Amino acid sequence: EPEVTQTPSHQVTQMGQEVILRCVPISNHLYFYWYRQILGQKVEFLVSFYNNEISEKSEIFDDQFSVERPDGSNFTLKIRSTKLEDSAMYFCASSGSSYNEQFFGPGTRLTVL
Amino acid sequence: KNEVEQSPQNLTAQEGEFITINCSYSVGISALHWLQQHPGGGIVSLFMLSSGKKKHGRLIATINIQEKHSSLHITASHPRDSAVYICAVRFPLSGSARQLTFGSGTQLTVLP
Repeated sequence: EPEVTQTPSHQVTQMGQEVILRCVPISNHLYFYWYRQILGQKVEFLVSFYNNEISEKSEIFDDQFSVERPDGSNFTLKIRSTKLEDSAMYFCASSGSSYNEQFFGPGTRLTVL
Repeated sequence: KNEVEQSPQNLTAQEGEFITINCSYSVGISALHWLQQHPGGGIVSLFMLSSGKKKHGRLIATINIQEKHSSLHITASHPRDSAVYICAVRFPLSGSARQLTFGSGTQLTVLP
């Protein structure tokens, strides 16, 4: 059964460093999403992406964040200069259309020291 | 403000019990998802529904659009059902037709 994959599963970085989180969505899906979950808190929407551009983003998704689909399979989230408060679990999701079920990856746990 | 409320926050049951988890939301939605989050953190989609009822194995999800309420039921619960169950909705009127708004989750523990 097709699934969303994410790498790495755990990333540890120093404050101020850039990190890139990678996702491979389900192959025939067209809509891609990033969510994050700070430990003990709700899952929060960051950004959605369709047709090679951002379609929606939340207040959290400020200038230090960017997303890219560099090739036909990967979908990446870049955090330019990490802060302590960026420590969280980051989930990628994809769906076949904007109104279809979203399928989630296993997540990347980001720890900023 | 578009909000999603879940209850209870924590639920402990004995194996075999019938379990109900509730979700209510503040305004009209286009779809509601029930998700399961495992102890390791991974999220699995259980159901997406916009009306009526869906069943998959021992899991049943219902939604009442007029009352802005959904329930997730687990019949004949088992210790392997222990997880966090999350309700997430898509609010169509905010212009955010794709993003999900999440509830805070219900931690379910099923004891053998």
